[in-house]
Amino acid sequence: AQSVTQLDSQVPVFEEAPVELRCNYSSSVSVYLFWYVQYPNQGLQLLLKYLSGSTLVKGINGFEAEFNKSQTSFHLRKPSVHISDTAEYFCAVSEAGYALNFGKGTSLLVTP
Amino acid sequence: DAGVTQSPTHLIKTRGQHVTLRCSPISGHKSVSWYQQVLGQGPQFIFQYYEKEERGRGNFPDRFSARQFPNYSSELNVNALLLGDSALYLCASSLTGLHGETQYFGPGTRLLVL
Repeated sequence: AQSVTQLDSQVPVFEEAPVELRCNYSSSVSVYLFWYVQYPNQGLQLLLKYLSGSTLVKGINGFEAEFNKSQTSFHLRKPSVHISDTAEYFCAVSEAGYALNFGKGTSLLVTP
Repeated sequence: DAGVTQSPTHLIKTRGQHVTLRCSPISGHKSVSWYQQVLGQGPQFIFQYYEKEERGRGNFPDRFSARQFPNYSSELNVNALLLGDSALYLCASSLTGLHGETQYFGPGTRLLVL
């Protein structure tokens, strides 16, 4: 069975600083990997996904993530955050290719 | 183009009651998935439907059921509501729902069970 661990429940960071949100997964088969963002009182929006190929994936709003198969990780990074990046971020894994298995989320708080 | 729409936006029910939540997918999308998001947690997969057939089901009791209509819209039904059913219910649509396709989420229906 697959599982997703988001290692930090909250990440405070100053505006224009870099940030990394960590995600580890466990699965016995090949998986698809996703990062979603959820702004307050809204649904989820896809930031980026890894299906195959290059392990460095670029997404929207300047975010990128690197798939590391040996460490079963898919950490999300941004070189310079903005106040507007304050939100809840979810890592998700899909084995079967349809159902998403989400982590518990990381709350990113960007302050001036 | 309109995104995924869900109705109602908010709902208050009492224990033991029944609730029906509705979802309209993005035009052209034939797959609809339902997720439950309890406060402070990540979404949990409930169902996926494709072409009116259930493709998969998560670890939820039989009190939860769903269906998909010929126009690809979907309903999620929950019977005999429990306090623990209080959550944000999210609907997501995609073209076929397979192979890591992007799932587009609606704004959700917030259900409060008293």
